[in-house]
Amino acid sequence: SQTIHQWPATLVQPVGSPLSLECTVEGTSNPNLYWYRQAAGRGLQLLFYSVGIGQISSEVPQNLSASRPQDRQFILSSKKLLLSDSGFYLCAWTPGLATGELFFGEGSRLTVL
Amino acid sequence: GQQVMQIPQYQHVQEGEDFTTYCNSSTTLSNIQWYKQRPGGHPVFLIQLVKSGEVKKQKRLTFQFGEAKKNSSLHITATQTTDVGTYFCARTALIFGKGTTLSVSS
Repeated sequence: SQTIHQWPATLVQPVGSPLSLECTVEGTSNPNLYWYRQAAGRGLQLLFYSVGIGQISSEVPQNLSASRPQDRQFILSSKKLLLSDSGFYLCAWTPGLATGELFFGEGSRLTVL
Repeated sequence: GQQVMQIPQYQHVQEGEDFTTYCNSSTTLSNIQWYKQRPGGHPVFLIQLVKSGEVKKQKRLTFQFGEAKKNSSLHITATQTTDVGTYFCARTALIFGKGTTLSVSS
């Protein structure tokens, strides 16, 4: 069966520090991968999605970036965090870009101080 | 554009009361998905509706897709404290509604 792992679960970072969140999917090939951010009490904001290795689409311009070095690995990064980057980050995958159930990871809660 | 609007944003009910959240689009939807996110948790898929006028039930939850495929609703009968959370509709993985947060008091 397919599983999705996301880490770290919680982190507290100072403003200006770098960020790296990692997500891996097991049990499937060629998944479509997504990064979302959820501010406190808010909806899901799509940040990036990827349909294949090295293919990244950005939905919101900001100081975050994403990479997909391997088929089932998706990384969210920042060189310098801002206070506004605080939130709940969710990785997810689907078998198809516009269809099919989204499977979410457990999420990473980031607090920037 | 392709956004989906959800109402209400928040709803508080007494345990045993019914609850409904609505999802509306200005353009025709090929399908609509519903997710539930418990407090502190991650969204979990509930259902996908595809056909015009479709109605699906999952125990106390009833999902409807409008005849024009521009709106959808989720109705919970006789809410329980386990129903607490935020309910999202999504037209694709790329476009989510802002969600309706349900709180239930016993």
